[in-house]
Amino acid sequence: AQSVTQLDSQVPVFEEAPVELRCNYSSSVSVYLFWYVQYPNQGLQLLLKYLSGSTLVKGINGFEAEFNKSQTSFHLRKPSVHISDTAEYFCAVSEAGANNLFFGTGTRLTVIP
Amino acid sequence: ETGVTQTPRHLVMGMTNKKSLKCEQHLGHNAMYWYKQSAKKPLELMFVYSLEERVENNSVPSRFSPECPNSSHLFLHLHTLQPEDSALYLCASSPGTSGTREQFFGPGTRLTVL
Repeated sequence: AQSVTQLDSQVPVFEEAPVELRCNYSSSVSVYLFWYVQYPNQGLQLLLKYLSGSTLVKGINGFEAEFNKSQTSFHLRKPSVHISDTAEYFCAVSEAGANNLFFGTGTRLTVIP
Repeated sequence: ETGVTQTPRHLVMGMTNKKSLKCEQHLGHNAMYWYKQSAKKPLELMFVYSLEERVENNSVPSRFSPECPNSSHLFLHLHTLQPEDSALYLCASSPGTSGTREQFFGPGTRLTVL
């Protein structure tokens, strides 16, 4: 089964600074990759997804992620964060032929004014 | 209503109570999921339904009993729960269980077992 590693459980960053949230997955087979965001007391909302094609994927709220097959990574980036980006971010992976998504443990991004 | 809705949003119950969580999706999807979200842990997939048939049950204790009467509704019946079952229970839906598997989530039910 897949495993998804989000190495940083908490990332504090100052407002307007850049941020990178790291995600690595275990399998080298064909995968689909997702980043979700969870605001307090809410469910998960899709930020962006990689299905195929260009390895640089752009999502909502100015986020982007790059798929690196050789490093089995899918790191999330934003060049300038806002207070409203404070939330929990989850990386998820699905394999072709499987029924479900495998989630990481999440990274709590805190934007400091 | 749009997207995926869940009721109630908060639930407090004793260990001897019986209660049910409800999920409804308004997206025309064919697959629905229950997840358990506990602090410091990855989301735990509990049940998967595709076209109203259960296709996956990840060794969930029998005190959790799912029901999917149609492709738009999903229930999670709870009885004789334990305090460690306190968590956020998330419902999700997707167009199917094959393909890209992008899932759309509801806001969750925050369950506290006393």
